[in-house]
Amino acid sequence: QQQVKQSPQSLIVQKGGISIINCAYENTAFDYFPWYQQFPGKGPALLIAIRPDVSEKKEGRFTISFNKSAKQFSLHIMDSQPGDSATYFCAASFFNQAGTALIFGKGTTLSVSS
Amino acid sequence: DGGITQSPKYLFRKEGQNVTLSCEQNLNHDAMYWYRQDPGQGLRLIYYSQIVNDFQKGDIAEGYSVSREKKESFPLTVTSAQKNPTAFYLCASSPGRRGSYGYTFGSGTRLTVV
Repeated sequence: QQQVKQSPQSLIVQKGGISIINCAYENTAFDYFPWYQQFPGKGPALLIAIRPDVSEKKEGRFTISFNKSAKQFSLHIMDSQPGDSATYFCAASFFNQAGTALIFGKGTTLSVSS
Repeated sequence: DGGITQSPKYLFRKEGQNVTLSCEQNLNHDAMYWYRQDPGQGLRLIYYSQIVNDFQKGDIAEGYSVSREKKESFPLTVTSAQKNPTAFYLCASSPGRRGSYGYTFGSGTRLTVV
C-alpha cells in the first residue's frame, strides 16, 4: 500500500528528444507527488511537484501528468539535454497521526546522448 | 542561507562498531527524516520525527536508532546490529504540516564498513 512503482529503471534518449518516466501507486491517501533529480554524490533536488486535484503541471521543459483514477503519474522532459542526464525519483507523501513522510520509487537513470 | 548540513561526508566504520551521522537544519522545519539509498533501491525511509522527543520507525528501522532532543538536530546511529550498513544516507526536513510540503535534502553521508 505504501509502495510507489517506477519505470523504466534506465532510459537513453537522444538530445532534443522526449524523456518519459512513469510511476504508479496504490494508497489513495497520498496527497502530494514530487519528482526529484539527483546527480552522483549529491542529495536529491526537487524538480516539480503536483497535487492530486490537478491533472497536469508544467514548468519549463518539465511536465507532470497525473491520472487520479488510474493512480498513475508521469514526468515528461521535453527537448532533453545532456545536462539532464541524472537519476530521477518519483515520490508520494502520506500524512498520518505520526506526521508526514515521502515514499520514493526506485529511480530511473536517464542518459541523454549528444 | 537556510539548509541542511550532514556530516561527515564520508565515514568508515569497522565491523561491530556503532557510528553516529549528524544532521542539522536551520530552516525552522518541524519534521526531519532519515533515508538510506542503495543502488537500484531508491530512497528507503529509516526514521522520521514530527516533533522534538518523538520519532517513528520507517520501513527499514532495524539496526538504527535516532534521537530528537532539539528541533534543529536529528542524529542517526548505525548500530552493530545493522547487517549491511554500507550505503548513502540522506537526511531531510519539511514543515511537516499537511498541505505544506517542501522537503529539503542534505548532501548525504557515505558510510563504508571496512
